[in-house]
Amino acid sequence: EVQLAESGGGLIQSGGSLRLSCAASGFSVSAKYMTWVRQAPGKGLEWVSIIYSAGDTYYADSVKGRFTISRDNSKNTVYLQMESLRAEDTAVYHCARGYSYSHDAFDFWGQGTVVTVSS
Amino acid sequence: QSALTQPRSVSGSPGQSVTISCTGTNSDVGGYDYVSWYQHHPTKAPKLMIYDVDKRPSGVPDRFSGSKSGNTASLTISGLQAEDEADYYCCSYAGTYTRVFGTGTKVTVL
Repeated sequence: EVQLAESGGGLIQSGGSLRLSCAASGFSVSAKYMTWVRQAPGKGLEWVSIIYSAGDTYYADSVKGRFTISRDNSKNTVYLQMESLRAEDTAVYHCARGYSYSHDAFDFWGQGTVVTVSS
Repeated sequence: QSALTQPRSVSGSPGQSVTISCTGTNSDVGGYDYVSWYQHHPTKAPKLMIYDVDKRPSGVPDRFSGSKSGNTASLTISGLQAEDEADYYCCSYAGTYTRVFGTGTKVTVL
């Protein structure tokens, strides 16, 4: 059974750092493209970052230079290292798996982990 | 990377059809056939309903259909059911390996 479990969220002061984890089961993260999507309180979904099976990574302009996506194939886990956090980074962060039958769609999502940045 | 524009809310009675629009630009919706739609019940994980504009993943009822014309994509729910009440988001590939989500639409079943 495919599962994604995010962890690592919490309350952090503005300017601080946090690392989110997305532990996968039922498939190999190295074989799929994996993404992070966030939802700020009362707002819609916002794409954050993506890592492809070849290892190339891309970011939304709002987090470029501050966030880093990576993966550990031995732990079957994807990470999001977040630096220089701002109040506007407060959100629920979801990881999601790329859908094999599409160039750009996500077929399994985690429940999310909450990040709160205090200013 | 401006969010795609969706109506804030749509509503319909059980059995009726509703259509949600998703308007972007020729740099995203109009430029690629990689529009997907997600159903999101509060406190649950989002669910893929449509991919590549008009394709349904296995297990998604055929009441859900997608289309695109120019810079606007649409999701139609036919034969509306109570369990369809949720937030719906479109998402489009926007080039250079980025993508952009829509503003979200709340579907209410009257």
